[in-house]
Amino acid sequence: EVQLVESGGGLVQPGGSLRLTCAASGFTFSNYWMSWVRHRQAPGKGLEWVANINQDGSEKYYVDSVKGRFTISRDNAKNSLFLQLNSLRAEDTAVYYCARLAVAGTSDFDYWGQGTLVTFSS
Amino acid sequence: QSVLTQPPSASGTPGQRVTISCFGSTSNIGSNYVYWYQQLPGAAPKLLIHRNAQRPSGVPDRFSGSKSGASASLAISGLRSEDEADYYCAAWDDSPSGPVFGGGTKLTVL
Repeated sequence: EVQLVESGGGLVQPGGSLRLTCAASGFTFSNYWMSWVRHRQAPGKGLEWVANINQDGSEKYYVDSVKGRFTISRDNAKNSLFLQLNSLRAEDTAVYYCARLAVAGTSDFDYWGQGTLVTFSS
Repeated sequence: QSVLTQPPSASGTPGQRVTISCFGSTSNIGSNYVYWYQQLPGAAPKLLIHRNAQRPSGVPDRFSGSKSGASASLAISGLRSEDEADYYCAAWDDSPSGPVFGGGTKLTVL
């Protein structure tokens, strides 16, 4: 059974940093592109793709709003996906989901984790 | 503002058929596959429809997808109370390159 389990979310101050981790199991992790997708908590906000990484970590892509601030990475030996969040802004408040990308160059996210919440303290 | 446009809400009574629309452009829906996701309250999104109209294993045939030009639709027939959820459309966008989502449609079963 495919399982994706995120951790690392929490309360941060604007300008702060966090590192999110996604532990994968039940499939050959190194065979798949992986992604981070977030669900912003502000009213009326929906899902937003954040970043993709290819199988060996040599290709990384980001939505414009996080370029230069967030870094996606992976450790295939540990079946783990990471998202380093730096220079956090209030608008980054969201539930961050780890998702498996079934087919590169599509929006075919076939498995999702339960999410980890990033919120801001005033 | 989301790249793909969905109505914010939809509703129906048990047994009815409801449709949810998703409007995009030539750079996304018009030239790439459309995907639909169901997000039940408090849960992670779940892939409901892929490649415009295909159902992953385990998704009931009450759910169907279609695409025409730069727009797409999700239809739910025989509506049930457990279908009450948020529904999102998604597609790859060629410019700028990356996945894009609709703003989501909250379906209420009356």
